[in-house]
Amino acid sequence: EAQVTQNPRYLITVTGKKLTVTCSQNMNHEYMSWYRQDPGLGLRQIYYSMNVEVTDKGDVPEGYKVSRKEKRNFPLILESPSPNQTSLYFCASSRDRDALNEQFFGPGTRLTVL
Amino acid sequence: GNSVTQMEGPVTLSEEAFLTINCTYTATGYPSLFWYVQYPGEGLQLLLKATKADDKGSNKGFEATYRKETTSFHLEKGSVQVSDSAVYFCALSALRAQKLVFGQGTRLTINP
Repeated sequence: EAQVTQNPRYLITVTGKKLTVTCSQNMNHEYMSWYRQDPGLGLRQIYYSMNVEVTDKGDVPEGYKVSRKEKRNFPLILESPSPNQTSLYFCASSRDRDALNEQFFGPGTRLTVL
Repeated sequence: GNSVTQMEGPVTLSEEAFLTINCTYTATGYPSLFWYVQYPGEGLQLLLKATKADDKGSNKGFEATYRKETTSFHLEKGSVQVSDSAVYFCALSALRAQKLVFGQGTRLTINP
């Protein structure tokens, strides 16, 4: 089954404790992206990657890092989480960056930073 | 910059009612337009899309027409069901853009 998986689905942590949210897709997609969803703001892009070893900032990259060492994986790293990073996070992938292509979304990771 | 504005929610309707969720956009050039749906506890799924002016996207009884003259992409369904309860997001993707730009989402609840 074609899918995007994220782990963990739920996470409660404390300020300053480094964490990683994993994202993996099995569709051989080139393009992957991370979004955060906040009430009243819709989804905002954090980082994206057009292919292996190619990453770039989205609209709200501060406080986040990413890496793309393999095509299928695109982890999101919070080196020193803060309460304003409490949010619902979605990973997405598509065949390439062409605007016409559908983006497939993971199930989401709900993060709470105390 | 590019932006999407959706009607404020939440929206509550009775089963079999007619649904309209308004969406307008601001963009340079000719973006592609999308409606995504998010069911409780799940990620977003593409509901329908339109890639040029006057295109009509349709799926599962939902329709939306790309209106360049009014920069709109309103979502409609003639007779909603309880299973349509979800959050709906309007989004655009500009040519050569690296991302989708989303509206704030509209929560829809259908009562039996």
